Amino acid sequence: EDKVVQSPLSLVVHEGDTVTLNCSYEVTNFRSLLWYKQEKKAPTFLFMLTSSGIEKKSGRLSSILDKKELSSILNITATQTGDSAIYLCAVEANTGTASKLTFGTGTRLQVTL
Amino acid sequence: DTGVSQNPRHKITKRGQNVTFRCDPISEHNRLYWYRQTLGQGPEFLTYFQNEAQLEKSRLLSDRFSAERPKGSFSTLEIQRTEQGDSAMYLCASSLVAGGPDEQFFGPGTRLTVL
Repeated sequence: EDKVVQSPLSLVVHEGDTVTLNCSYEVTNFRSLLWYKQEKKAPTFLFMLTSSGIEKKSGRLSSILDKKELSSILNITATQTGDSAIYLCAVEANTGTASKLTFGTGTRLQVTL
Repeated sequence: DTGVSQNPRHKITKRGQNVTFRCDPISEHNRLYWYRQTLGQGPEFLTYFQNEAQLEKSRLLSDRFSAERPKGSFSTLEIQRTEQGDSAMYLCASSLVAGGPDEQFFGPGTRLTVL
């Protein structure tokens, strides 16, 4: 059974801190890893990673995939209160004619003043 | 707004009733996914369509659940004889896949409460 594990489960930091969120996976026929940000509504897409070692960046957020270690990290620098959310990691597996996305339970990040 | 839309946004029903949710994907997206998310958990995959064909169903999708995408555009998810355990947020996502990885865009969800 495909599995995605995220750590830590929750995190409280002060505004301006840098945080690193972790995602590890066990998936048959890995295709891609995705990061989402979820506030009070549906998840919004952050990054899709398919190749090891290539960092993707969007403003203060960046992410990288390590296929050897079956893991990914999401970094947020100079955190702001607006970064408070649940960060979800999901892994896409190719199952032949279809693909399936398996989610982790998320890391709840709270940024305080 | 050209994103994924879902209706209704909220549904309260009594145990044993049937409910139906609708999802309108981003125009021309060929894949449509249904997920269920309960409090404190990540979304759980339920089922997935490529155009009008339902290609995969999770074992979470019991025989009380049925999903359709008759014309390859909007989709409906029906739950028959609802149970309290069905209370959750039901999320729909769509994507356009043409050989490469699948980037899914989510709708706002339908929150179901079964009394």
